[in-house]
Amino acid sequence: EDQVTQSPEALRLQEGESSSLNCSYTVSGLRGLFWYRQDPGKGPEFLFTLYSAGEEKEKERLKATLTKKESFLHITAPKPEDSATYLCAVQAYSGAGSYQLTFGKGTKLSVIP
Amino acid sequence: SQTIHQWPATLVQPVGSPLSLECTVEGTSNPNLYWYRQAAGRGLQLLFYSVGIGQISSEVPQNLSASRPQDRQFILSSKKLLLSDSGFYLCACSSGSTTEKLFFGSGTQLSVL
Repeated sequence: EDQVTQSPEALRLQEGESSSLNCSYTVSGLRGLFWYRQDPGKGPEFLFTLYSAGEEKEKERLKATLTKKESFLHITAPKPEDSATYLCAVQAYSGAGSYQLTFGKGTKLSVIP
Repeated sequence: SQTIHQWPATLVQPVGSPLSLECTVEGTSNPNLYWYRQAAGRGLQLLFYSVGIGQISSEVPQNLSASRPQDRQFILSSKKLLLSDSGFYLCACSSGSTTEKLFFGSGTQLSVL
């Protein structure tokens, strides 16, 4: 069974204190790995898609990287407005020409001024 | 880009009452449409997806049903709600590619009492 595990479950950072969120996965036939940001009471907002090991994507203070077993979302010098839950999702081949998207439970990031 | 309209934002319903949640999409034609449920402490769970009008696939056995009467309209229904149907319901769409990112609506928080 495909699994996606995000750690830590929650992370509190001081403003400007850089850190990383982890998404580890056990799937066969990875098609793509997605990062989303979700604010309380809102739907997830797309951030990045990564397709192959070694790939990196950046957006403002966020950088996502991918290896064969896990992905990291690096947050450099975070600001309070970066506070949100960050979701990781993995798309993998599930047989009969179809693909399955599996979401992790998310990491709740709080950035303290 | 796509815009998803989802309503209502919050809903409180008694056990045994019917349910109808509606989702409409703008900015794209012939989208893939999805209904997800997000429960506290759990990842996003895919409930239904649709690749076209009248075409519905169910991912998990449940008390809910879905319909797609028009290309950009997706409806989630129940004849009799259960306590376990409480959760945050999200409508999402994609353009159809197997590796396309999802766009999410703002969600409906359903409380069944």
